[in-house]
Amino acid sequence: GNSVTQMEGPVTLSEEAFLTINCTYTATGYPSLFWYVQYPGEGLQLLLKATKADDKGSNKGFEATYRKETTSFHLEKGSVQVSDSAVYFCALSALTNFGNEKLTFGTGTRLTIIP
Amino acid sequence: EPEVTQTPSHQVTQMGQEVILRCVPISNHLYFYWYRQILGQKVEFLVSFYNNEISEKSEIFDDQFSVERPDGSNFTLKIRSTKLEDSAMYFCASKTGGRGYTFGSGTRLTVV
Repeated sequence: GNSVTQMEGPVTLSEEAFLTINCTYTATGYPSLFWYVQYPGEGLQLLLKATKADDKGSNKGFEATYRKETTSFHLEKGSVQVSDSAVYFCALSALTNFGNEKLTFGTGTRLTIIP
Repeated sequence: EPEVTQTPSHQVTQMGQEVILRCVPISNHLYFYWYRQILGQKVEFLVSFYNNEISEKSEIFDDQFSVERPDGSNFTLKIRSTKLEDSAMYFCASKTGGRGYTFGSGTRLTVV
């Protein structure tokens, strides 16, 4: 079946540090890839997405590139802020064995940025 | 921007009671989903719904769970007899035929 493996957390960085959160996937067919963010006490917000190989998704200074050859979709940001503290979920959308499409999430990575 | 609306935002219920979690998906969306997240853990798929029937369900979605789209706008998740381990955040999502999913802000269910 489809699955997402995500870098274990928690991750703690100083403000203005460079961020990478690793994500790799296993899927049949051609999945779309997503990063969702969950701020404390809130729901899931789409951060960025990419729908085909070599696409780069970007939003709010975050970027991720769909790498088919390495089945990866690593999240990066050049200079993090305290307000980026949240839990980040990598996810894929692909057809399942039932011919249905759904999102499959990674375990989430808790990111804390200290001033 | 269109939203998926979930009510209530927080529900506390006694073990063994029935609960209904409500969702209003985006009006032109065709596919509907329920996910749950036990505190601090992974977001897990429960069920997907298309064309007025369940298209897929996970092993979590046992006979205690059911979904309905009673009136063409609401999409409900019913838990017939709640257990302590049903305590979680429940998220509703909807999408069009494309791959853009929109999530609601969730219902936190606490079973005591």
